[in-house]
Amino acid sequence: AQTVTQSQPEMSVQEAETVTLSCTYDTSESDYYLFWYKQPPSRQMILVIRQEAYKQQNATENRFSVNFQKAAKSFSLKISDSQLGDAAMYFCAYRVLQGAQKLVFGQGTRLTINP
Amino acid sequence: DAGVTQSPTHLIKTRGQQVTLRCSPKSGHDTVSWYQQALGQGPQFIFQYYEEEERQRGNFPDRFSGHQFPNYSSELNVNALLLGDSALYLCASSWGSPNTEAFFGQGTRLTVV
Repeated sequence: AQTVTQSQPEMSVQEAETVTLSCTYDTSESDYYLFWYKQPPSRQMILVIRQEAYKQQNATENRFSVNFQKAAKSFSLKISDSQLGDAAMYFCAYRVLQGAQKLVFGQGTRLTINP
Repeated sequence: DAGVTQSPTHLIKTRGQQVTLRCSPKSGHDTVSWYQQALGQGPQFIFQYYEEEERQRGNFPDRFSGHQFPNYSSELNVNALLLGDSALYLCASSWGSPNTEAFFGQGTRLTVV
C-alpha cells in the first residue's frame, strides 16, 4: 500500500524568507503523480504544484518549487519570498498514474508566516 | 464556473442517526471522489464514482455508501452514525482522464453528538 509521510507537524518562517516542507512516500509503482495541496482556514484544498514521476525536471510554479528525489522517494516543497497569504496547512499527496484517481495524503504541515 | 459545491456546510447529528451529504462537481467533470478528514489529519479516501458506479473504495465500513446521478452530482450517505464519524467531508471532482487535476469543494463539517 502506498503511504505518504510528512515529518514536520508545524513550521514557521519570516515573511519574505524561504521555507522547505518535507515529504517522503512509499510505493512499488514506477509511474505516479505527486502533489502539494494548500488548505487555508476556508477548508478548500487548493493545488499548489504537481510532479509527474517520469519527469526528471523538478516542477516550479512562481514562488513554489519542488525537490523530487525518486530513488529516495522524497518530495519537498520550497516556498520562496514567503507571504502572509501562504499561511495554511500543506498536504503532500500521491496518486497512481492509471486507473482510479485516488489521492493518498500525508498528515499535513501547518505553516505559519511571521510578519 | 461555480467550481465544486457541497451542501450543507455544517451539520450536527445524533449518534445512531443517518446523514446525507451532497456534492455538485465542477462543470465538465464526470468523476467524484469523497474524502473524510478528521481534525488535525490528512484526508482519507472513502470512495470514487464514475459513470454512476463506485469505481474504487477505501477502507471504510459499509455504513458509508454513495450514489452518483446522471448529471454527475453525488451523495454520500452514512448510517448508524458514531461519534468517530465527526469530521470534515470533502468532495473532489475531476475529468475521467488520469492526467487531470482534482478540484475540491469546501467540505461539510459533520459533528456527531
